Amino acid sequence: GAGVSQSPRYKVAKRGQDVALRCDPISGHVSLFWYQQALGQGPEFLTYFQNEAQLDKSGLPSDRFFAERPEGSVSTLKIQRTQQEDSAVYLCASTSSIRGANTEAFFGQGTRLTVV
Amino acid sequence: SQQGEEDPQALSIQEGENATMNCSYKTSINNLQWYRQNSGRGLVHLILIRSNEREKHSGRLRVTLDTSKKSSSLLITASRAADTASYFCATDARDTDKLIFGTGTRLQVFP
Repeated sequence: GAGVSQSPRYKVAKRGQDVALRCDPISGHVSLFWYQQALGQGPEFLTYFQNEAQLDKSGLPSDRFFAERPEGSVSTLKIQRTQQEDSAVYLCASTSSIRGANTEAFFGQGTRLTVV
Repeated sequence: SQQGEEDPQALSIQEGENATMNCSYKTSINNLQWYRQNSGRGLVHLILIRSNEREKHSGRLRVTLDTSKKSSSLLITASRAADTASYFCATDARDTDKLIFGTGTRLQVFP
């Protein structure tokens, strides 16, 4: 595709509901990142994939957060039993470098999650 | 946690003026990048400077890097109203593959 695509753009979830956020990276991009961005803050690192391997998940805030990229392309970030503090914009980025952050990262428009 | 901190947090200038934003980071890096984010949109890459470079230019953008002080600056010359956005520095720490962002500078350029 032309760029990184994220869906849905907006998601309203009731507290306790499970949600799944999808990221379609640029075709052929090896590295994929997920970030969480609270209002007025910078993006906070959540997790990083190199192809299908999840090399770093140190930023996931709790075991309610789970990410996968089973075929090394599309990735899904799942949040179980959502809580109000999960409300944020979730950004996905991909790069062509096998050493993820060594080159320009291309970002999707993000998914704005609101937990009510 | 975030690697970098931008200074100032917010900056308001008139069109035609120059805007300077600073970024400080904590650990040794391979490279430092600057990104722009318009309200409600994704981040757009502006420029990348490697740890062995001291200065880089791209159009109206000038970036400097001082690894001894663990700091970088982004200068936007002859600013335009369309430059209004948040600007973030991001670093690629040497011991990881993560791209870590700073806290951002909100730039407002008045016509």
